[in-house]
Amino acid sequence: NAGVTQTPKFQVLKTGQSMTLQCAQDMNHEYMSWYRQDPGMGLRLIHYSVGAGITDQGEVPNGYNVSRSTTEDFPLRLLSAAPSQTSVYFCASKETHQETQYFGPGTRLLVL
Amino acid sequence: KNEVEQSPQNLTAQEGEFITINCSYSVGISALHWLQQHPGGGIVSLFMLSSGKKKHGRLIATINIQEKHSSLHITASHPRDSAVYICAAVGNQFYFGTGTSLTVIP
Repeated sequence: NAGVTQTPKFQVLKTGQSMTLQCAQDMNHEYMSWYRQDPGMGLRLIHYSVGAGITDQGEVPNGYNVSRSTTEDFPLRLLSAAPSQTSVYFCASKETHQETQYFGPGTRLLVL
Repeated sequence: KNEVEQSPQNLTAQEGEFITINCSYSVGISALHWLQQHPGGGIVSLFMLSSGKKKHGRLIATINIQEKHSSLHITASHPRDSAVYICAAVGNQFYFGTGTSLTVIP
């Protein structure tokens, strides 16, 4: 199993550009989530999904959209990037009734 | 307001030292995780606790539900233990601490 994969690993954007961060898992996990990690603030939940077709907002959803058309994929979209979105983004997944989350390797995003 | 507080924020130790990292939380939880993040950035789950104590190799994690406190201990620390250790409390969502950056010097 590849586990949780994320692409790209690094990205530089200009303010106002759009992009999609990809996340995929091959463990048939129903629950998937996106976090951003910023210095001094720990991991913060952006959006999460409890299954295909179902998404919900986390702690810091503004500026981000998600969709969950399949169990495997959970892309995160930035429609109009802002410098405040410069961060490291982690995707994670877990089985619905289990507590252990499996994290992807992260995507480092710089918005100029 | 942070639901999860970790201490210390930074820790430097000599190889072989016994290390303790503390985590206090203010929310009701069903479980608590200890995560390890290496300099390359990847995050790995070390332990999940709901009570008592767990041991894996040189790592020991304890939790006191009444006191809302957990500790991660590393015995005979080694430079490869250098990483950021993150405490995460599982309530109605995951609440993450800001991490403890550990450096073990040879």
